[in-house]
This record gives sequence, structure tokens and C-alpha cells, in this order.
Amino acid sequence: EAGVAQSPRYKIIEKRQSVAFWCNPISGHATLYWYQQILGQGPKLLIQFQNNGVVDDSQLPKDRFSAERLKGVDSTLKIQPAKLEDSAVYLCASSPRPSGANVLTFGAGSRLTVL
Amino acid sequence: KQEVTQIPAALSVPEGENLVLNCSFTDSAIYNLQWFRQDPGKGLTSLLLIQSSQREQTSGRLNASLDKSSGRSTLYIAASQPGDSATYLCAAPIIQGAQKLVFGQGTRLTINP
Repeated sequence: EAGVAQSPRYKIIEKRQSVAFWCNPISGHATLYWYQQILGQGPKLLIQFQNNGVVDDSQLPKDRFSAERLKGVDSTLKIQPAKLEDSAVYLCASSPRPSGANVLTFGAGSRLTVL
Repeated sequence: KQEVTQIPAALSVPEGENLVLNCSFTDSAIYNLQWFRQDPGKGLTSLLLIQSSQREQTSGRLNASLDKSSGRSTLYIAASQPGDSATYLCAAPIIQGAQKLVFGQGTRLTINP
């Protein structure tokens, strides 16, 4: 089975610019997650989708971050405007059902550097 | 609120040694705990999912234990190899509201040939 696909793998931008990341989950996985992983820390959940509905976005900085999952398949995460502290790896993961009961499958991540 | 802590942050051992990685969590009312491996520049790979009804889960040279009463889990790696070098993360679920995982900060493991 194909894994979770993410693009781009690397992105370097200036602060105040915008950036978008794309994720295609494993076929048939209803639940999709975006995590932010700052260097030396564990991943932090930004947003969780169940099909095309948002289940949890309590840790998403909504003044600058947005995410959507149209048609309940692939998803995009956007940052506008970017700040220096947004430098991190953005990981997408999917599971057949919510994560508490199932193993998550992660993509390789998108590494963002904000200068 | 679930908080997950992993100690030590980094560990370096010679090849062939058996070793233990530690994970502690604050909310013991969990129904499972997961261990992940992360190689540099890569995503996370699930290693073991241990249910609350289990005390141990084994996969090859890896053995994970779970003690809910003490809020601790350990990952035991037998006969370590240089290929085991990676960051190991544990994750515990939040049991209220949306089901989601809270990760520890990870232990960076280096196996020296």
C-alpha cells in the first residue's frame, strides 16, 4: 500500500511570506492529522480531520495557520504570514479511525525554514 | 491534561548492549501507548502499540512494557545494532474529547560500532 505523501520536502522563505504544504493520506484512511515538530521536540498536533470535518484544531494558531481537507481526501496546510518560530518540520499522518485506537502512518514531513 | 516525558534526551552505547528507554505520562487512565522511531530527516514509524490490558508487547528485539499505575512505559532493545540509531518517541492518548496523541520529546539513541 502506498504511504502518506507530502510535498514539498523542503521550503525556505522569508518571514512574512506565505507557504503551503500538501498531504495525500493512505487511501481509505478517514482521519488525517497535521503535526508540527520543532527541532529537539516531539510532534505537536495542529489539526485533526475526520473525513472533511475538523475534529480538533485547538492548538492551531488560527491568526496565521489554516488547513482544509476538501472531499475528505488530500489536505493543505497554509501559513500566512510566516514567523521565525514557524521553522519546523510539518508532519502529516493518517489512520483508519481516530488515533487513540489505531496506529498512525506518518509521511516524511515538510521541513520549513523561515529566515 | 496529558503530559509525556522521556528520559534521557540522548543515549550513546556500544554495539551489542541491551538498553532501556523510559517514558512517563501524567494521566494514567489511558487505553494504550505507542512507541515510534524517527530517523534523521524522516517521518515517524510506529514500532509497538501496547494496549492497557497488556503488560508487554514484543516485536523482534524490541519489548515494550506498560505500567499504568505508575504512569510509566519502557522500551527494551536487546543486542543493540548500529542500525538501531535513531530517535525513539512514545505517545499517549488524551482520553477526553477528540482522540489524539501527545508525544514525548524523544530519546536520541546512538549505537557505536
